[in-house]
Amino acid sequence: GENVEQHPSTLSVQEGDSAVIKCTYSDSASNYFPWYKQELGKGPQLIIDIRSNVGEKKDQRIAVTLNKTAKHFSLHITETQPEDSAVYFCAPRGGSQGNLIFGKGTKLSVKP
Amino acid sequence: EPEVTQTPSHQVTQMGQEVILRCVPISNHLYFYWYRQILGQKVEFLVSFYNNEISEKSEIFDDQFSVERPDGSNFTLKIRSTKLEDSAMYFCASSEWGTIQPQHFGDGTRLSIL
Repeated sequence: GENVEQHPSTLSVQEGDSAVIKCTYSDSASNYFPWYKQELGKGPQLIIDIRSNVGEKKDQRIAVTLNKTAKHFSLHITETQPEDSAVYFCAPRGGSQGNLIFGKGTKLSVKP
Repeated sequence: EPEVTQTPSHQVTQMGQEVILRCVPISNHLYFYWYRQILGQKVEFLVSFYNNEISEKSEIFDDQFSVERPDGSNFTLKIRSTKLEDSAMYFCASSEWGTIQPQHFGDGTRLSIL
């Protein structure tokens, strides 16, 4: 089955800096790559996603890049704000399955 | 913005009892999912449901689990004879018309087995 690795597990940045989280997956047939943000006591919230026919997608301060050859995709947050502090999960969808396979999460702390 | 709603937010049950977790998916969505998250761990897939039947299930989803869409709006997860290790957050999700569509999650039900 799909093996998903996410790095780093924790990330601390100063407000205004950029943050990058990387997700590596094993299933070469994976075709859908979302990132979720989870705040304390809440469910995962989809923040950005990308499909396998696209290399990069941007939505204001958030971007996702995909390298299908190397089987990894990354979340980029620019101009970080304290409200960006949360746990971020990558959750690629396997090629033969409909369910998402979540990484172990990255706890992002943005210090004012 | 439409959202997935789950009830109850917290359920406390004695070991061995049956529990039903309820979800109201987004109204025009056709695919429904249950995931669980044990405290401090990653989110794990349990089951997906489409057209009134299970599409896929994980190894976690054994015979003690069942899902149902009893009417046009609710989607339920039943756990028969609960065990201590069933204690977790259970999340319901839905997607519009296919599994490659974005999955939107509810805020979960915290299940505590005593």
